[in-house]
Amino acid sequence: AQSVTQPDIHITVSEGASLELRCNYSYGATPYLFWYVQSPGQGLQLLLKYFSGDTLVQGIKGFEAEFKRSQSSFNLRKPSVHWSDAAEYFCAVGGYVDYKLSFGAGTTVTVRA
Amino acid sequence: NAGVTQTPKFQVLKTGQSMTLQCAQDMNHNSMYWYRQDPGMGLRLIYYSASEGTTDKGEVPNGYNVSRLNKREFSLRLESAAPSQTSVYFCASSRQYGYTFGSGTRLTVV
Repeated sequence: AQSVTQPDIHITVSEGASLELRCNYSYGATPYLFWYVQSPGQGLQLLLKYFSGDTLVQGIKGFEAEFKRSQSSFNLRKPSVHWSDAAEYFCAVGGYVDYKLSFGAGTTVTVRA
Repeated sequence: NAGVTQTPKFQVLKTGQSMTLQCAQDMNHNSMYWYRQDPGMGLRLIYYSASEGTTDKGEVPNGYNVSRLNKREFSLRLESAAPSQTSVYFCASSRQYGYTFGSGTRLTVV
């Protein structure tokens, strides 16, 4: 069974600073990997996904993520955060048997002026 | 707009009451899911339906039942609500890994 760990519960970053959110997965092979964002009171929106190929993946809103097989990681980055990036971010993993997603516990990002 | 529609958006139940959360999608997706979201625990899968006529348990199915009424609709039923079921419930549908989530139902059991 697949699982995901997001080590950071809460991160505070200044507007304009860079952001990195950590994600570690557990799966017997290379899984399908996703990052979602949830703004307060909203549903989940897909930021980016990794299936195969280039290990650096570009997403929406200026986000990117890098898959590192040796570290079982899929960290999310943004070079310069905007106040609108304040939200909760979820890493998720899917396997090959079905299309179920397993989510991490989430990281809440606060952006200070 | 195409998407996943959940009703109701908010609900307060007394312990022991029953209710059904409704979910409908208009994207012709085969797969549908019910997740619950709790602080510090992310989203956990309650039940899913890979196709019309099939349902399977997820990670936290106890206290819930589901019905895949047709390809569009997937309902979640709480037969006897408990305070531990206070949560935000999300329905989703997908074609393979192309997920669309509803906006959620905030349920409080008192």
